[in-house]
Amino acid sequence: AQSVSQHNHHVILSEAASLELGCNYSYGGTVNLFWYVQYPGQHLQLLLKYFSGDPLVKGIKGFEAEFIKSKFSFNLRKPSVQWSDTAEYFCAVCNAGNMLTFGGGTRLMVKP
Amino acid sequence: NAGVTQTPKFRVLKTGQSMTLLCAQDMNHEYMYWYRQDPGMGLRLIHYSVGEGTTAKGEVPDGYNVSRLKKQNFLLGLESAAPSQTSVYFCASSPLSGKTDTQYFGPGTRLTVL
Repeated sequence: AQSVSQHNHHVILSEAASLELGCNYSYGGTVNLFWYVQYPGQHLQLLLKYFSGDPLVKGIKGFEAEFIKSKFSFNLRKPSVQWSDTAEYFCAVCNAGNMLTFGGGTRLMVKP
Repeated sequence: NAGVTQTPKFRVLKTGQSMTLLCAQDMNHEYMYWYRQDPGMGLRLIHYSVGEGTTAKGEVPDGYNVSRLKKQNFLLGLESAAPSQTSVYFCASSPLSGKTDTQYFGPGTRLTVL
């Protein structure tokens, strides 16, 4: 069975700091990769996704993620965070079984 | 266009009681999903449906049943609630499978089982 690991459970940053959230998965075959975000009191929503092609994927609100196949990683980055980025971030992987497997989530707090 | 809605938003049950959570989507999506979210464990798939009249087990199906009698609705039932089922439940839908399509999530139902 595939698994998804997000090693940082809680991250606290000051505004304008750079962000990198780690995501590693265990499945060896072809995967599709997602980052979802849950802002306080809101639904989960898609931040970005990777299916194929350019391994550097750009999403909404200035976020990007890089797929490194050899490292089984799909880390999320943002050069300069804002207070409004305070949220919980989930990495998810979908393999041939068509089911999404989510990581445990990373809670990001951005201090103004 | 309401997207994905869930009823109720909150519920407190006693051990052994039963209840049904309702998920409705107005986007004409084929696929629907039920997840539970527990601290530090992300979202885990309980059951899913690839179309009206079909259901399938996910990662953690024990203690839950589902039905998809209408395309727009996906019901999650707990026949005999247990404290281990205290969680936040999310419903989601997608036009095709979650593999290549975005899943759209509902607002969640917070369930406490005493």
